[in-house]
Amino acid sequence: AQSVAQPEDQVKVAEGNPLTVKCTYSVSGNPYLFWYVQYPNRGLQFLLKYITGDNLVKGSYGFEAEFNKSQTSFHLKKPSALVSDSALYFCAVRAQTYSGAGSYQLTFGKGTKLSVIP
Amino acid sequence: DTGVSQNPRHKITKRGQNVTFRCDPISEHNRLYWYRQTLGQGPEFLTYFQNEAQLEKSRLLSDRFSAERPKGSFSTLEIQRTEQGDSAMYLCASSLSGLASSSYNEQFFGPGTRLTVL
Repeated sequence: AQSVAQPEDQVKVAEGNPLTVKCTYSVSGNPYLFWYVQYPNRGLQFLLKYITGDNLVKGSYGFEAEFNKSQTSFHLKKPSALVSDSALYFCAVRAQTYSGAGSYQLTFGKGTKLSVIP
Repeated sequence: DTGVSQNPRHKITKRGQNVTFRCDPISEHNRLYWYRQTLGQGPEFLTYFQNEAQLEKSRLLSDRFSAERPKGSFSTLEIQRTEQGDSAMYLCASSLSGLASSSYNEQFFGPGTRLTVL
């Protein structure tokens, strides 16, 4: 079974400061990892993904994430937070399948509410 | 707008009634997914289709739930004899399979249908 843990329900940072939203995962074999953002009354928007290759992944709106296989982590980062970054952030995992068969479902964490204070 | 669309956006019903939701995926996407999200939780996988074939169902999808994608385009999710525990946001997502796609594995989400069972 695959699972995602987001250990912080809420993260507060001052505008202009760097931010980190933590994510650890458990999956059989190699993972596909994703970050999504959800604004109030809206669906999830894709931010970035790790499939293979470089451990540092860059995504939308200046976000990046670092894949660490030994720590089974995929933390989301941004060098300088904006007030408009305030939202709910979800980490998700899916197992890679080499045969083409198997599950395509994403397993999500419970989410982390990011508040950027002016 | 060429994103995933869902209708209705909100549905209020009385316990015991049947409800049906519709999802229109991004036009060229051959995979379609349904998720359920309750307050304070991340989305939970319900089922997914590749073209018109329903290939995977979660144990969360009880006998009261049925999903169809008759022509491999739009999909419907029906809940029969609704219960108060069915109150949630129902999210639809779509993706494109195939290594040729730069968006491989990435799921695009619709705005969701919020169901309230009284």
